[in-house]
Amino acid sequence: DVQLVESGGGLVQPGGSLRLSCITSGFTFTKYWLAWVRQTPGKGLEWVANMAEDRSVAYYADSVKGRFTISRDNVESSLHLQMNSLRAEDTAVYYCARVWGSYDYMTHWGQGTLVTVSS
Amino acid sequence: EIVLTQSPGTLSLSPGERATLSCRASRSVGIYLAWYQQKPGQAPRLLIYDASNRATGIPARFSGSGSGTDFTLTISSLEPEDFAVYYCQQRRDFGQGTRLELK
Repeated sequence: DVQLVESGGGLVQPGGSLRLSCITSGFTFTKYWLAWVRQTPGKGLEWVANMAEDRSVAYYADSVKGRFTISRDNVESSLHLQMNSLRAEDTAVYYCARVWGSYDYMTHWGQGTLVTVSS
Repeated sequence: EIVLTQSPGTLSLSPGERATLSCRASRSVGIYLAWYQQKPGQAPRLLIYDASNRATGIPARFSGSGSGTDFTLTISSLEPEDFAVYYCQQRRDFGQGTRLELK
């Protein structure tokens, strides 16, 4: 079975940093793009970033560009999100997702990890 | 960026009824639109991709249609487990969701 398990969330002060991880199993990691998507409490979904299967390219939402960095370890089959200069509006559940097709369909998701930015 | 507008915001129906959810794109997206279901405390689940193709394991009561700017998700006969929030997605843009609630 395809599995994605996020970790690393928690409470952080504004301006602080946090690194999220997503450990995957059950599929050939190096064949898929992967993405981070977040959901603010009680609200909708927001795509955050994604990365190509070979790490050749990554894209970011304007809201996180310059502050967040997506990376992947193709040996450990893991995805990461380094989040710096965190703001209150970054408070959300962060999901990692496996991406399929040319139009970024997200076929498998982790259970999410909660990031709370507050003083 | 494409703006996806879903309607209605909330839909109140009973089990056995037919549900029709709409997603309108700010410009044409061809057939490249997906639908997701999200239940409380759970991650979204892909239901439909390329406007009308059911994802693996999705029951036949779920169907999608449309192209260009107007898309529809139809649930032919609601089961108790179908009451949830539904989102449409086009690449990196999501709609704001339609809450399907028990009447």
